[in-house]
Amino acid sequence: GQQVQQSPASLVLQEGENAELQCNFSTSLNSMQWFYQRPEGSLVSLFYNPSGTKQSGRLTSTTVIKERRSSLHISSSQITDSGTYLCAIGTGGYKVVFGSGTRLLVSP
Amino acid sequence: EAGVTQSPRYAVLQEGQAVSFWCDPISGHDTLYWYQQPRDQGPQLLVYFRDEAVIDNSQLPSDRFSAVRPKGTNSTLKIQSAKQGDTATYLCASSQPGQGGEAPLFGEGTRLSVL
Repeated sequence: GQQVQQSPASLVLQEGENAELQCNFSTSLNSMQWFYQRPEGSLVSLFYNPSGTKQSGRLTSTTVIKERRSSLHISSSQITDSGTYLCAIGTGGYKVVFGSGTRLLVSP
Repeated sequence: EAGVTQSPRYAVLQEGQAVSFWCDPISGHDTLYWYQQPRDQGPQLLVYFRDEAVIDNSQLPSDRFSAVRPKGTNSTLKIQSAKQGDTATYLCASSQPGQGGEAPLFGEGTRLSVL
């Protein structure tokens, strides 16, 4: 089965609403990263967060290793937050495995 | 510091044609990855190198895809006889894992359309 599963697959928000994106993994990991993928395809690293909680502006990432999950919280969403959010885990030997992503659309 | 550079940005082919993608990683990064990302899916690892050595190419369709990194710096991914199912974005990434690991940094990708 898939090592990394993300939910929801897609999400539509009104501007100003909050969002919680989930990433569950079925294997032990040595790294965890959240990416934002722009509509044209380029990937932007949001967080490198193998454990604990990190915050950057309106974004908060929380990884709980023993529960094999990580979440990305977006507060007060903006139209420019629209895009795809991907989580990726490092499984050792420098191999990195991605989830299938959450496609977010924020409407006015 | 320059990031990971990929070229071309876009490619459009007819089935059966060949294409090469080029990647220049961040200077000093010893690990280089190639990913394939079909539309509406997450990136899927094709192959990765440590220096010039292939570490894992188990997901590379060996009959039509090949990847090299001869001097341990730049890399080329080549598709012989492209198929419509190869339509995807091809992403290159590099990393210099240190203590605790360092996640890869990505280039902007090459968008391939096979008609």
